[in-house]
Amino acid sequence: AQTVTQSQPEMSVQEAETVTLSCTYDTSESDYYLFWYKQPPSRQMILVIRQEAYKQQNATENRFSVNFQKAAKSFSLKISDSQLGDAAMYFCAYRTPNFGNEKLTFGTGTRLTIIP
Amino acid sequence: DAGVTQSPTHLIKTRGQQVTLRCSPKSGHDTVSWYQQALGQGPQFIFQYYEEEERQRGNFPDRFSGHQYPNYSSELNVNALLLGDSALYLCASSDLTPGLAGQETQYFGPGTRLLVL
Repeated sequence: AQTVTQSQPEMSVQEAETVTLSCTYDTSESDYYLFWYKQPPSRQMILVIRQEAYKQQNATENRFSVNFQKAAKSFSLKISDSQLGDAAMYFCAYRTPNFGNEKLTFGTGTRLTIIP
Repeated sequence: DAGVTQSPTHLIKTRGQQVTLRCSPKSGHDTVSWYQQALGQGPQFIFQYYEEEERQRGNFPDRFSGHQYPNYSSELNVNALLLGDSALYLCASSDLTPGLAGQETQYFGPGTRLLVL
């Protein structure tokens, strides 16, 4: 079974600075998808970024980028120029690409605090 | 374009009761997945509905059941509620097009907070 581990329960960063959230996963699959979701106090899970394992290039979305290390099974999220609105729980998630097995497996999350 | 909606937003029940939670998927989506998120934890997959059938199920007892209607909306039913069922229940929708497996993204609703006393 696949597992996702987020070893940082809490992180804080000064506004406008850069922060990196860690995620490791365990799988025997060679192809899969990885995601970072953000959950603000409003509770709605919002997709931040996704990475396909077959792509060597790291995904980026504006101020958000990932460092995907397939051999190390590591998938970290870098947030540049942190803003107050970035404060939230961040969840790393994994899924296979197989039709019929689309469930997301989540980590336990990292609570990110932005210091003004 | 309306996103995923869920009702109710909050619910209080007592042990042994039954509860029904509802979800309307994002426009154009045909698949609904349900997740349970206990306090301080990541979401856990309960099951997924596609074409009105349960097509995948997580490690949850039969007390958890669901339904999908022809308009793709879905219900999650929990019978014989236990204190441990207190959680945030999230619904996610996606568009499953055969042949594009893995390319769809799941979009989440705001959740229903269930408290069992």
